[in-house]
Amino acid sequence: NAGVTQTPKFQVLKTGQSMTLQCAQDMNHNSMYWYRQDPGMGLRLIYYSASEGTTDKGEVPNGYNVSRLNKREFSLRLESAAPSQTSVYFCASTWEKRAFFGQGTRLTVV
Amino acid sequence: SQQGEEDPQALSIQEGENATMNCSYKTSINNLQWYRQNSGRGLVHLILIRSNEREKHSGRLRVTLDTSKKSSSLLITASRAADTASYFCATVQGGSEKLVFGKGMKLTVNP
Repeated sequence: NAGVTQTPKFQVLKTGQSMTLQCAQDMNHNSMYWYRQDPGMGLRLIYYSASEGTTDKGEVPNGYNVSRLNKREFSLRLESAAPSQTSVYFCASTWEKRAFFGQGTRLTVV
Repeated sequence: SQQGEEDPQALSIQEGENATMNCSYKTSINNLQWYRQNSGRGLVHLILIRSNEREKHSGRLRVTLDTSKKSSSLLITASRAADTASYFCATVQGGSEKLVFGKGMKLTVNP
């Protein structure tokens, strides 16, 4: 069982570059989430998708876009990366409100 | 702003002792959950308590919920070095799928 798979695991971007973080789950879960984790800040919700075809803003959506491509996949896009977006990004999906997490993407913007 | 706030932010205890962590939240909730994160890894779900429940047990874990005070506590009994991790509370707000986490607290269990 793969669970929640995030790609890439590590990425270095230059300021202004764009990139898409990929997330896929094979557990047939309806809801999917993107979080960022920064020291001392815990996990902050960026966007979530309660079902295929719907997305909603979380606590810190500015600078990000998302796509719920199908039930399995939920991608996070940075259109113009900024140093403030340096963080560890986690994707999660939920079953009966319980979240299952990917292993994270460590993104550095220089 | 984040929904949950864990207290204390850091706790260091000896193996065999009990560890108690508290979480306060701001708005009405559907349920409250606790998660563990080992260094550099994704979070792992520990236990969920619904808003109409007051106490729940799972192995060495005991969770209480006081909705009148908007607070929850997680008790880990007979702690082990392997319990060393960061712990987070998370809430699902009523009627939504929005799952928000607190800032977390770091537990160190010394052998």
